[in-house]
Amino acid sequence: NAGVTQTPKFQVLKTGQSMTLQCAQDMNHNSMYWYRQDPGMGLRLIYYSASEGTTDKGEVPNGYNVSRLNKREFSLRLESAAPSQTSVYFCASSTTPAVRAEQFFGPGTRLTVL
Amino acid sequence: KNEVEQSPQNLTAQEGEFITINCSYSVGISALHWLQQHPGGGIVSLFMLSSGKKKHGRLIATINIQEKHSSLHITASHPRDSAVYICAVRSRRGGSQGNLIFGKGTKLSVKP
Repeated sequence: NAGVTQTPKFQVLKTGQSMTLQCAQDMNHNSMYWYRQDPGMGLRLIYYSASEGTTDKGEVPNGYNVSRLNKREFSLRLESAAPSQTSVYFCASSTTPAVRAEQFFGPGTRLTVL
Repeated sequence: KNEVEQSPQNLTAQEGEFITINCSYSVGISALHWLQQHPGGGIVSLFMLSSGKKKHGRLIATINIQEKHSSLHITASHPRDSAVYICAVRSRRGGSQGNLIFGKGTKLSVKP
């Protein structure tokens, strides 16, 4: 039981390059989330998927796209990376989007855009 | 003004001390979470509460809904408690769809 896994752990991109961050969970959770964490700021929600087949924008969606591939997997794509997207990205999952559902976090992906 | 404010931002303690980290919020909430981020970056959920008090081992979390304030206490602190502690609230705004609002975290360092 691995929980929430993310790949890659580290990535360096040049401005304009594209990449996809992968996230998978093996807890049979319905809801999945992508956050970014920047120095001096709290975690901010980029996109979420309340259930398989649905995705919605969070607080900072610009420059990103997501795909809920199946119940287990939720990917985050940067189509044309910008230095402002340098950050640590966390994927999380929960049983439901319900107000009292605990979220389980992946180990994070540290992305640097040059 | 941030919707979730934590204090202090940084805290250094000696092993064995009683520690309190505070969280104040300005929005109506349905639940409040305390999270721990290890020095290696991993984030784990410690507590989720909507009223009263919860205890797990040496950790105690309390919330006062009327005062919009929560505290995380650590008794008999240990160097392995060194981490960033994050408060997050689930706002009643925008329905129940996953929108946690996070504080900036409190960095705790416990010296032996």
